[in-house]
Amino acid sequence: DVVMTQSPLSLPVTLGQPASISCRSSQSLAHFDGNTYLNWFQQRPGQSPRRLIYKVSNRDSGVPHRFSGSGSGTDFTLKISRVEAEDVGVYYCMQGSHWPWTFGQGTKVEIK
Amino acid sequence: QVTLRESGPALVKLTQTLTLTCTFSGFSLTTGMCVSWIRQPPGKAPEWLARIDWDDDKYYNTSLQTRLTISKGTSKNQVVLTMTNMGPVDTATYYCARHSKEGGDFDYWGQGTRVTVSS
Repeated sequence: DVVMTQSPLSLPVTLGQPASISCRSSQSLAHFDGNTYLNWFQQRPGQSPRRLIYKVSNRDSGVPHRFSGSGSGTDFTLKISRVEAEDVGVYYCMQGSHWPWTFGQGTKVEIK
Repeated sequence: QVTLRESGPALVKLTQTLTLTCTFSGFSLTTGMCVSWIRQPPGKAPEWLARIDWDDDKYYNTSLQTRLTISKGTSKNQVVLTMTNMGPVDTATYYCARHSKEGGDFDYWGQGTRVTVSS
């Protein structure tokens, strides 16, 4: 199985400051169809996961522009340009390029 | 609007079989549409379990495939998951989610149903 490794696992951030989460895969996520299936999900306390980003860098409708995704191959990053209080939660990367689909361990974002 | 809702027992005993139903609305399991089951043990990351496609193709997590069966329900808007021989490590919140054929792009999730395995 493809192992997804996120860092850091805990990320205390000051309101208004940027945040960055790294996600590394044990194999390249470049799919033979030309796409790279790396998705990012946000899970607020007590809620279901919510998709933020799909195929590396495509932001979902309704997701604030302060969220952005980048990367290729085995290295990916989720950035929050200026953290707001509503961004508190756990963020997961997930690969959909290889069976079985697998998630990272999660990064907990909290306000300092 | 698109909604999914999981239903099933909150408590199952060791070695029993778990049956969960995902009832969805706002979309149909037509060309290109798929539904997956994903579980999340308390305090841990989600784990993808199984998937069924509009054309009835089925896929399973290799580590659990001998215990899992996914199927379409008797209603066109339902997907059913059964998991046999339940054990303590299967205690988790079970979600169903909609996605397209490639990439695991789960764009809509249910609220989840918590399942506890007891002796």
